Amino acid sequence: NAGVTQTPKFQVLKTGQSMTLQCAQDMNHNSMYWYRQDPGMGLRLIYYSASEGTTDKGEVPNGYNVSRLNKREFSLRLESAAPSQTSVYFCASSYTGINQPQHFGDGTRLSIL
Amino acid sequence: GENVEQHPSTLSVQEGDSAVIKCTYSDSASNYFPWYKQELGKRPQLIIDIRSNVGEKKDQRIAVTLNKTAKHFSLHITETQPEDSAVYFCAASIPDYGGSQGNLIFGKGTKLSVKP
Repeated sequence: NAGVTQTPKFQVLKTGQSMTLQCAQDMNHNSMYWYRQDPGMGLRLIYYSASEGTTDKGEVPNGYNVSRLNKREFSLRLESAAPSQTSVYFCASSYTGINQPQHFGDGTRLSIL
Repeated sequence: GENVEQHPSTLSVQEGDSAVIKCTYSDSASNYFPWYKQELGKRPQLIIDIRSNVGEKKDQRIAVTLNKTAKHFSLHITETQPEDSAVYFCAASIPDYGGSQGNLIFGKGTKLSVKP
């Protein structure tokens, strides 16, 4: 079992470019999440998907969009990257969203110049 | 909404000593409290969690205590070892009022250094 797999691991973009971060889980989990981690800020929720076919905004959704492609895959898109979006992005999944541990991927380190 | 405060932000202990990290939360309806360990450059990994119907939970050298009245919970690591050095995050579930379905709010983290 790979758990939660994120691609790419590293990416450098120029301001205004777009890109999609990919996430897939093989644990048959229903809920999936995208977080960003900045120094001293902990983990902040960008978007989540409680189940296949649903997505909702988290704490910091501006500048991002998501797609729950199927039960396994949940992608995060930056339409027009800005330097403020330089961060480490983590995808996570849980069996359900209620009082269940979340399992994290290895992260994508994104730099926007 | 739910808010989680975590203290201290940094903690340095001697190998073999105990380490305690404390978190407070604001919404008394929160009922799930996980702790994550994140080594440098790695993913956060769940090390222990507790639900509100339990006051304490232990797993070898790690324990978590929960005080629902005071709305705080703590991570206790005994007999610390250099490999315990990492950043530790606490989290609290957002009560499911029909919208946020139990999402987690994380504290800002505690950097623990264990000196040999």
